[in-house]
Amino acid sequence: DVKVTQSSRYLVKRTGEKVFLECVQDMDHENMFWYRQDPGLGLRLIYFSYDVKMKEKGDIPEGYSVSREKKERFSLILESASTNQTSMYLCASSLNLGGHPRSYEQYFGPGTRLTVT
Amino acid sequence: AQRVTQPEKLLSVFKGAPVELKCNYSYSGSPELFWYVQYSRQRLQLLLRHISRESIKGFTADLNKGETSFHLKKPFAQEEDSAMYYCALGNYGQNFVFGPGTRLSVLP
Repeated sequence: DVKVTQSSRYLVKRTGEKVFLECVQDMDHENMFWYRQDPGLGLRLIYFSYDVKMKEKGDIPEGYSVSREKKERFSLILESASTNQTSMYLCASSLNLGGHPRSYEQYFGPGTRLTVT
Repeated sequence: AQRVTQPEKLLSVFKGAPVELKCNYSYSGSPELFWYVQYSRQRLQLLLRHISRESIKGFTADLNKGETSFHLKKPFAQEEDSAMYYCALGNYGQNFVFGPGTRLSVLP
């Protein structure tokens, strides 16, 4: 059974703070993803990684960066948090079955609800 | 560009009534389509994928390439079906895109 865990369920930060969101998966998946989930907008991809130290921008990378130093861990970094980054952040992982990593079944973490005041 | 639309933000039906959650997509090639579900206080999870042609929890979805649709259907809704449903599209070598979601509320 795939397990994707996220370091915090709820997080409150101040504008301008540096924020780290951590995600760990235990199924040896190659691909990992960060999304933000907003009402009426669905899930929007921020960044994804298909291998250690590899990363690609998603649809809304501005204001975010990522780090993947180990296969099981994928971190999302908000260099200087702003109020418009208040959102639910979802991490996901998937196997790389060949081809583009975004095309296959993804397993999600429980989410981190971030509030920036 | 790939795009997924779900025209209903909220769909309310009575228990035992049929339910259809609409999903339309725009994509020029052969897409892979999925339905994901998020129950209250649970994580987002895959419900079904079109390539498997399966029925999960009584739900089915048929890919209609002519109408570019992948509607999710269930003949008799149950209260435990109340959840947020997302349609998603992916393809080999292309983007993987989620729709905006439909909240299904099954009333007793």
